Amino acid sequence: RKEVEQDPGPFNVPEGATVAFNCTYSNSASQSFFWYRQDCRKEPKLLMSVYSSGNEDGRFTAQLNRASQYISLLIRDSKLSDSATYLCNAGNNRKLIWGLGTSLAVNP
Amino acid sequence: SQTIHQWPATLVQPVGSPLSLECTVEGTSNPNLYWYRQAAGRGLQLLFYSVGIGQISSEVPQNLSASRPQDRQFILSSKKLLLSDSGFYLCAWSEQSRDTDTQYFGPGTRLTVL
Repeated sequence: RKEVEQDPGPFNVPEGATVAFNCTYSNSASQSFFWYRQDCRKEPKLLMSVYSSGNEDGRFTAQLNRASQYISLLIRDSKLSDSATYLCNAGNNRKLIWGLGTSLAVNP
Repeated sequence: SQTIHQWPATLVQPVGSPLSLECTVEGTSNPNLYWYRQAAGRGLQLLFYSVGIGQISSEVPQNLSASRPQDRQFILSSKKLLLSDSGFYLCAWSEQSRDTDTQYFGPGTRLTVL
């Protein structure tokens, strides 16, 4: 089992749709969780940290489920500009293990 | 604000040639620094991280090495490149003083070894 797993997709959704991604992690000692977005041939950019209580930033909501060892990302009212690969990671003490990413294509 | 620079942006090198990639960070002091590689079809793989000048931790045995000669400078090197060294090399930094592991990436170097 990979340490951090994501459904690679692609997820093809129409503009305005709500889409959710999950990311499972195997190390129960993980303390830090993040979602990044990566555009084609670009560096990953921080989307949001994931807190135990869950957190929201505009159209994006992140949740952590420690019991089942997964984090989730919900995108509401999808925009064309949301098309990208979404990377999750989990870890602690500077060592983050990354998933392979989930590809999202938002279509007009 | 903090910025992170990497160069070159792209590089094509023959097998067996040496490599030197440089990363510098501005606007922060004593950052944690990281080198990652992202190969086609593979996730981000942590190669090295550094918590201070001259302090390097290696995560994956390989023919690469890293050095941190100055507080905000991180260098990735190889004496002889292999075909398998091709990939997208990313430098990242995080704040030393915070509990968070939030990492911020530079623009990356795309390396092709032929």
